[in-house]
Amino acid sequence: GESVGLHLPTLSVQEGDNSIINCAYSNSASDYFIWYKQESGKGPQFIIDIRSNMDKRQGQRVTVLLNKTVKHLSLQIAATQPGDSAVYFCAENGNRDDKIIFGKGTRLHILP
Amino acid sequence: KAGVTQTPRYLIKTRGQQVTLSCSPISGHRSVSWYQQTPGQGLQFLFEYFSETQRNKGNFPGRFSGRQFSNSRSEMNVSTLELGDSALYLCASSRDRGHNEQFFGPGTRLTVL
Repeated sequence: GESVGLHLPTLSVQEGDNSIINCAYSNSASDYFIWYKQESGKGPQFIIDIRSNMDKRQGQRVTVLLNKTVKHLSLQIAATQPGDSAVYFCAENGNRDDKIIFGKGTRLHILP
Repeated sequence: KAGVTQTPRYLIKTRGQQVTLSCSPISGHRSVSWYQQTPGQGLQFLFEYFSETQRNKGNFPGRFSGRQFSNSRSEMNVSTLELGDSALYLCASSRDRGHNEQFFGPGTRLTVL
Protein backbone atom coordinates (compact mmCIF):
# COMPACT_ATOMS: atom_id res chain seq x y z
CA GLY A 1 0.00 0.00 0.00
CA GLU A 2 0.94 3.62 0.14
CA SER A 3 3.75 4.25 2.56
CA VAL A 4 6.50 6.65 3.38
CA GLY A 5 8.85 5.22 5.97
CA LEU A 6 11.78 6.33 8.06
CA HIS A 7 14.90 4.33 8.82
CA LEU A 8 15.38 5.50 12.42
CA PRO A 9 12.66 6.36 14.92
CA THR A 10 15.01 8.28 17.24
CA LEU A 11 18.21 10.16 16.50
CA SER A 12 20.48 11.62 19.18
CA VAL A 13 22.95 14.26 18.05
CA GLN A 14 25.50 16.34 19.91
CA GLU A 15 24.76 20.05 19.91
CA GLY A 16 26.78 21.70 17.18
CA ASP A 17 27.07 18.57 15.08
CA ASN A 18 25.23 17.98 11.83
CA SER A 19 22.08 15.85 11.81
CA ILE A 20 20.97 13.60 8.99
CA ILE A 21 17.45 12.23 8.97
CA ASN A 22 16.62 9.64 6.35
CA CYS A 23 13.41 8.61 4.68
CA ALA A 24 12.40 5.97 2.16
CA TYR A 25 9.38 6.42 -0.03
CA SER A 26 7.54 3.79 -1.98
CA ASN A 27 5.70 5.58 -4.77
CA SER A 28 8.06 6.08 -7.69
CA ALA A 29 5.46 8.36 -9.28
CA SER A 30 5.65 10.89 -6.45
CA ASP A 31 7.00 14.17 -7.73
CA TYR A 32 7.01 16.42 -4.69
CA PHE A 33 8.51 15.85 -1.27
CA ILE A 34 8.34 17.83 1.92
CA TRP A 35 10.01 17.81 5.31
CA TYR A 36 8.07 18.93 8.36
CA LYS A 37 9.13 19.61 11.93
CA GLN A 38 6.71 19.06 14.76
CA GLU A 39 7.44 20.35 18.23
CA SER A 40 5.57 19.13 21.26
CA GLY A 41 2.04 20.51 21.41
CA LYS A 42 2.20 22.09 17.97
CA GLY A 43 1.19 21.22 14.47
CA PRO A 44 3.79 20.27 11.86
CA GLN A 45 5.79 23.15 10.47
CA PHE A 46 7.07 23.23 6.89
CA ILE A 47 10.86 23.11 6.68
CA ILE A 48 11.78 22.57 3.07
CA ASP A 49 10.46 20.93 -0.05
CA ILE A 50 11.91 19.50 -3.23
CA ARG A 51 10.47 18.54 -6.57
CA SER A 52 11.43 15.41 -8.40
CA ASN A 53 13.31 17.29 -11.10
CA MET A 54 15.91 18.27 -8.50
CA ASP A 55 18.26 16.18 -6.39
CA LYS A 56 19.33 18.80 -3.88
CA ARG A 57 17.87 21.90 -2.34
CA GLN A 58 19.29 24.11 0.37
CA GLY A 59 17.62 26.33 2.88
CA GLN A 60 18.81 28.06 6.00
CA ARG A 61 20.91 25.43 7.82
CA VAL A 62 18.94 22.66 6.10
CA THR A 63 19.55 20.67 2.96
CA VAL A 64 17.28 18.10 1.39
CA LEU A 65 18.69 15.42 -0.87
CA LEU A 66 16.57 13.31 -3.18
CA ASN A 67 17.76 10.07 -4.74
CA LYS A 68 15.05 8.88 -7.08
CA THR A 69 17.00 5.81 -8.11
CA VAL A 70 16.68 4.26 -4.66
CA LYS A 71 13.63 6.29 -3.60
CA HIS A 72 15.43 7.92 -0.72
CA LEU A 73 15.09 11.34 0.84
CA SER A 74 17.25 12.91 3.51
CA LEU A 75 17.23 16.05 5.60
CA GLN A 76 20.53 17.48 6.75
CA ILE A 77 20.57 20.03 9.56
CA ALA A 78 23.84 21.89 10.00
CA ALA A 79 25.16 22.87 13.42
CA THR A 80 22.26 21.32 15.30
CA GLN A 81 20.83 23.50 18.06
CA PRO A 82 18.63 22.70 21.08
CA GLY A 83 15.71 24.32 19.26
CA ASP A 84 15.97 21.64 16.60
CA SER A 85 14.64 19.06 19.04
CA ALA A 86 11.40 17.83 17.50
CA VAL A 87 9.86 15.05 15.46
CA TYR A 88 10.66 15.30 11.77
CA PHE A 89 8.36 13.93 9.11
CA CYS A 90 9.00 13.38 5.47
CA ALA A 91 6.01 13.46 3.17
CA GLU A 92 5.37 12.78 -0.47
CA ASN A 93 2.75 14.09 -2.82
CA GLY A 94 1.78 11.62 -5.49
CA ASN A 95 1.14 13.34 -8.77
CA ARG A 96 -1.97 11.30 -9.46
CA ASP A 97 -4.23 12.32 -6.65
CA ASP A 98 -2.39 15.11 -4.83
CA LYS A 99 -2.71 13.29 -1.51
CA ILE A 100 0.13 14.00 0.87
CA ILE A 101 1.39 10.83 2.52
CA PHE A 102 3.41 11.26 5.71
CA GLY A 103 6.07 9.03 7.15
CA LYS A 104 5.96 7.85 10.75
CA GLY A 105 8.43 10.46 11.98
CA THR A 106 11.91 10.57 13.52
CA ARG A 107 12.50 12.14 16.90
CA LEU A 108 15.64 14.27 16.98
CA HIS A 109 17.20 14.52 20.42
CA ILE A 110 19.96 17.06 21.02
CA LEU A 111 22.65 16.13 23.50
CA PRO A 112 24.25 19.01 25.45
CA LYS B 1 -0.93 37.45 9.29
CA ALA B 2 -2.84 35.10 11.54
CA GLY B 3 -2.05 31.41 11.25
CA VAL B 4 -4.40 28.48 10.96
CA THR B 5 -6.70 28.30 13.95
CA GLN B 6 -8.56 25.27 15.21
CA THR B 7 -11.30 25.04 17.79
CA PRO B 8 -11.68 23.58 20.25
CA ARG B 9 -8.13 22.70 21.27
CA TYR B 10 -9.23 19.87 23.54
CA LEU B 11 -12.35 17.77 23.59
CA ILE B 12 -13.54 14.80 25.62
CA LYS B 13 -16.43 12.72 24.35
CA THR B 14 -17.90 9.30 25.06
CA ARG B 15 -18.42 6.43 22.68
CA GLY B 16 -21.40 6.83 20.42
CA GLN B 17 -21.43 10.60 20.53
CA GLN B 18 -20.62 12.83 17.60
CA VAL B 19 -18.19 15.73 17.39
CA THR B 20 -17.62 18.73 15.14
CA LEU B 21 -14.21 20.34 14.81
CA SER B 22 -13.58 23.70 13.23
CA CYS B 23 -10.71 25.10 11.21
CA SER B 24 -10.09 28.65 10.02
CA PRO B 25 -7.42 28.79 7.31
CA ILE B 26 -4.95 31.57 6.72
CA SER B 27 -6.59 34.49 4.99
CA GLY B 28 -6.45 33.99 1.23
CA HIS B 29 -5.92 30.26 1.44
CA ARG B 30 -8.53 28.26 -0.39
CA SER B 31 -7.47 24.68 0.24
CA VAL B 32 -8.03 23.01 3.60
CA SER B 33 -6.91 19.49 4.43
CA TRP B 34 -7.58 17.44 7.53
CA TYR B 35 -5.32 14.84 9.09
CA GLN B 36 -5.57 12.43 11.98
CA GLN B 37 -2.45 11.92 14.07
CA THR B 38 -2.04 8.97 16.43
CA PRO B 39 1.08 7.39 17.97
CA GLY B 40 0.43 4.12 16.18
CA GLN B 41 -0.56 5.30 12.71
CA GLY B 42 1.18 8.63 12.52
CA LEU B 43 -0.26 11.37 10.34
CA GLN B 44 -3.01 10.12 8.07
CA PHE B 45 -4.83 12.14 5.44
CA LEU B 46 -8.56 12.46 5.99
CA PHE B 47 -9.80 14.78 3.25
CA GLU B 48 -9.16 17.96 1.34
CA TYR B 49 -11.58 20.74 0.53
CA PHE B 50 -11.22 23.41 -2.09
CA SER B 51 -13.88 25.88 -3.21
CA GLU B 52 -16.42 24.24 -0.93
CA THR B 53 -15.96 20.85 -2.60
CA GLN B 54 -14.26 17.73 -1.30
CA ARG B 55 -11.41 17.11 -3.73
CA ASN B 56 -9.69 14.19 -2.09
CA LYS B 57 -10.46 11.61 0.53
CA GLY B 58 -8.34 9.26 2.58
CA ASN B 59 -9.14 5.75 3.72
CA PHE B 60 -11.49 6.52 6.57
CA PRO B 61 -15.02 5.25 7.17
CA GLY B 62 -18.09 7.29 6.31
CA ARG B 63 -18.41 8.35 9.96
CA PHE B 64 -15.81 10.96 9.11
CA SER B 65 -17.15 13.81 7.05
CA GLY B 66 -16.43 17.43 6.44
CA ARG B 67 -17.43 20.55 4.65
CA GLN B 68 -16.06 23.90 3.62
CA PHE B 69 -17.83 27.21 3.66
CA SER B 70 -17.65 30.06 1.19
CA ASN B 71 -15.11 31.87 3.38
CA SER B 72 -12.88 28.75 3.21
CA ARG B 73 -13.48 27.86 6.84
CA SER B 74 -13.91 24.14 7.27
CA GLU B 75 -15.49 21.75 9.71
CA MET B 76 -15.09 18.05 10.14
CA ASN B 77 -17.56 15.78 11.84
CA VAL B 78 -17.14 12.37 13.35
CA SER B 79 -20.32 10.48 14.18
CA THR B 80 -20.77 7.45 16.42
CA LEU B 81 -17.42 7.95 18.08
CA GLU B 82 -15.24 4.95 18.85
CA LEU B 83 -12.37 4.66 21.29
CA GLY B 84 -9.97 4.42 18.36
CA ASP B 85 -10.99 7.88 17.19
CA SER B 86 -8.98 9.39 20.02
CA ALA B 87 -6.31 11.40 18.25
CA LEU B 88 -4.95 14.79 17.39
CA TYR B 89 -6.89 16.19 14.45
CA LEU B 90 -4.87 18.61 12.39
CA CYS B 91 -6.04 21.06 9.82
CA ALA B 92 -3.74 22.50 7.18
CA SER B 93 -4.36 25.26 4.68
CA SER B 94 -2.62 26.20 1.47
CA ARG B 95 -3.14 28.91 -1.08
CA ASP B 96 -4.14 26.51 -3.82
CA ARG B 97 -4.26 22.82 -4.52
CA GLY B 98 -1.35 20.74 -5.63
CA HIS B 99 2.26 21.32 -4.73
CA ASN B 100 1.82 24.19 -2.38
CA GLU B 101 3.22 24.72 1.07
CA GLN B 102 0.75 23.67 3.73
CA PHE B 103 0.43 25.53 7.00
CA PHE B 104 -0.81 23.50 9.92
CA GLY B 105 -2.91 24.56 12.86
CA PRO B 106 -2.17 23.45 16.43
CA GLY B 107 -4.73 20.66 16.24
CA THR B 108 -7.69 19.51 18.29
CA ARG B 109 -6.94 16.79 20.81
CA LEU B 110 -9.98 14.48 20.92
CA THR B 111 -10.29 11.91 23.66
CA VAL B 112 -13.05 9.33 23.43
CA LEU B 113 -13.92 7.58 26.69
